[in-house]
Amino acid sequence: EAGVAQSPRYKIIEKRQSVAFWCNPISGHATLYWYQQILGQGPKLLIQFQNNGVVDDSQLPKDRFSAERLKGVDSTLKIQPAKLEDSAVYLCASSTFTAGEETQYFGPGTRLLVL
Amino acid sequence: DQQVKQNSPSLSVQEGRISILNCDYTNSMFDYFLWYKKYPAEGPTFLISISSIKDKNEDGRFTVFLNKSAKHLSLHIVPSQPGDSAVYFCAASGGGADGLTFGKGTHLIIQP
Repeated sequence: EAGVAQSPRYKIIEKRQSVAFWCNPISGHATLYWYQQILGQGPKLLIQFQNNGVVDDSQLPKDRFSAERLKGVDSTLKIQPAKLEDSAVYLCASSTFTAGEETQYFGPGTRLLVL
Repeated sequence: DQQVKQNSPSLSVQEGRISILNCDYTNSMFDYFLWYKKYPAEGPTFLISISSIKDKNEDGRFTVFLNKSAKHLSLHIVPSQPGDSAVYFCAASGGGADGLTFGKGTHLIIQP
């Protein structure tokens, strides 16, 4: 079974530029998450989708971050304009349920450096 | 305010011995806990989980213990192997399809 795919793996941009990340979840996984992991910290949830609908975006900085999952499969996360503090690894995860318990599976992440 | 705490940034253990990684949480609504392992330049990999209705779950060399009254869980790895060297994250959720709250991680180093 193929895992969660993310691209690009690395991105370097200057502050105030825009950037977009792409995620393809594991086939059949209805729930998709985006997390931000700053160096030395654990991942922090940005947004959760169930199929193509947003379940939780309470921690998404909506003045500059946006995300969509139009057809309920692939998802994109965009930052416009980027700030220095957005430098982080952006992780996508999708999940499945077994015996009523959810397990999230993560992609390799996109490492963003804002200069 | 950190709801999931891993107070040891790093831990060094000799190969073949037991590794014990600890995690504390403050949110009483958490009822499902997971451990993830992360190698450099890779995403976190699911290791083992435990529901709040249990106090122990075992999978091969990995055992997770949950003490609900103390709001504490631990991951035991025995015997420790060189490939276990990685950063281990404790994560918690309120159950159902829910975003995870992670600790800051513990860097486990297995020494030969």
